[in-house]
Amino acid sequence: GQQLNQSPQSMFIQEGEDVSMNCTSSSIFNTWLWYKQDPGEGPVLLIALYKAGELTSNGRLTAQFGITRKDSFLNISASIPSDVGIYFCAGPSQLYDKVIFGPGTSLSVIP
Amino acid sequence: EAQVTQNPRYLITVTGKKLTVTCSQNMNHEYMSWYRQDPGLGLRQIYYSMNVEVTDKGDVPEGYKVSRKEKRNFPLILESPSPNQTSLYFCASSPNDSVNEQYFGPGTRLTVT
Repeated sequence: GQQLNQSPQSMFIQEGEDVSMNCTSSSIFNTWLWYKQDPGEGPVLLIALYKAGELTSNGRLTAQFGITRKDSFLNISASIPSDVGIYFCAGPSQLYDKVIFGPGTSLSVIP
Repeated sequence: EAQVTQNPRYLITVTGKKLTVTCSQNMNHEYMSWYRQDPGLGLRQIYYSMNVEVTDKGDVPEGYKVSRKEKRNFPLILESPSPNQTSLYFCASSPNDSVNEQYFGPGTRLTVT
């Protein structure tokens, strides 16, 4: 079945540093999604990508839809303490009846 | 305020004692779903529903039941909970034509001893 892998599994960075994380799959996805889960809350959609090669920004966040359609990248510039949380990549199933989530990248920001 | 609510937020129970976790949304969404979140495994879908009286199994449905008698409510039922169902559970909803953008509830932390 369709599966997503994320790396790194966890990151500890200094406030102000840039962050980069990625998501890969052995199968093609036609849409890539990035969700963020703040501590103690449910995930929230950050960015949706719909076209191979697409680069989309949301404030300090930038995400890219890989050319092969088997990967996606999320970058956070000038990290701040409120960036702490778990970042999930996700994509719709082939029948578009559900969303498949990766295992997540846990981000910790040291002030 | 548009939201998804879950109750209870925390629950400790014993093996075999039936329980229900409620989920309600006020956005008139057709699609609703239940996930469990476990360390290192991300969010795994348990059951989903694309409309009233329509439910389907997700990736990990064993040991769970759901019902969708009304559009706004989608309860998760554990008939005979076991310790391996100890987890963090999330309910989510979205319009049917936009399942990508799911709105999640605050989560229910369940411990089965």
